[in-house]
Amino acid sequence: KAGVTQTPRYLIKTRGQQVTLSCSPISGHRSVSWYQQTPGQGLQFLFEYFSETQRNKGNFPGRFSGRQFSNSRSEMNVSTLELGDSALYLCASSLRDWGFKQFFGPGTRLTVL
Amino acid sequence: KNEVEQSPQNLTAQEGEFITINCSYSVGISALHWLQQHPGGGIVSLFMLSSGKKKHGRLIATINIQEKHSSLHITASHPRDSAVYICAVRSRGYGGSQGNLIFGKGTKLSVKP
Repeated sequence: KAGVTQTPRYLIKTRGQQVTLSCSPISGHRSVSWYQQTPGQGLQFLFEYFSETQRNKGNFPGRFSGRQFSNSRSEMNVSTLELGDSALYLCASSLRDWGFKQFFGPGTRLTVL
Repeated sequence: KNEVEQSPQNLTAQEGEFITINCSYSVGISALHWLQQHPGGGIVSLFMLSSGKKKHGRLIATINIQEKHSSLHITASHPRDSAVYICAVRSRGYGGSQGNLIFGKGTKLSVKP
């Protein structure tokens, strides 16, 4: 069974640009969550999607948005990038929610110059 | 004060030692997860707990809901256990809904041969 995949793995952008990150969950998983990890703040929750509906959103500005498609694949978008958005962005999938085992992708390392 | 506190922040052990990592939280939760993150970023979910105790190989996780405390134990530690261990809780939302995901800052474990 293929694991969670994230594309791209590495990305370099400049301030003011926008970026779209993709996450493909494990087949059969309907829940996808996104996280930001930085050395200073650690892991922080961004969004949670289930069956194309955003179920929960973390405390991030509106520049961070996401969506989930009917095949459970998910994308997140960050507009008007700031230097502080440099981070490892991780997604995780599960059958339904955090009451089930979470499977994490390898992450996308975003650098904003 | 963080809603999820882990201790210790850093831990160095000799191979074979018994290790305990603690997690205390201040919110009502529906589930608690222990995660393992190796250098390079990959995260593996070790346990999901809502009550009691779980064991997998040399790893044991316990939770005391009344005391809002969980522990992760590693018996007969090995250098390959060197990683960051992260405690994450799903807070209980209003009206039975699911709340946000809150992460501890992690415990960096180094096991020396």
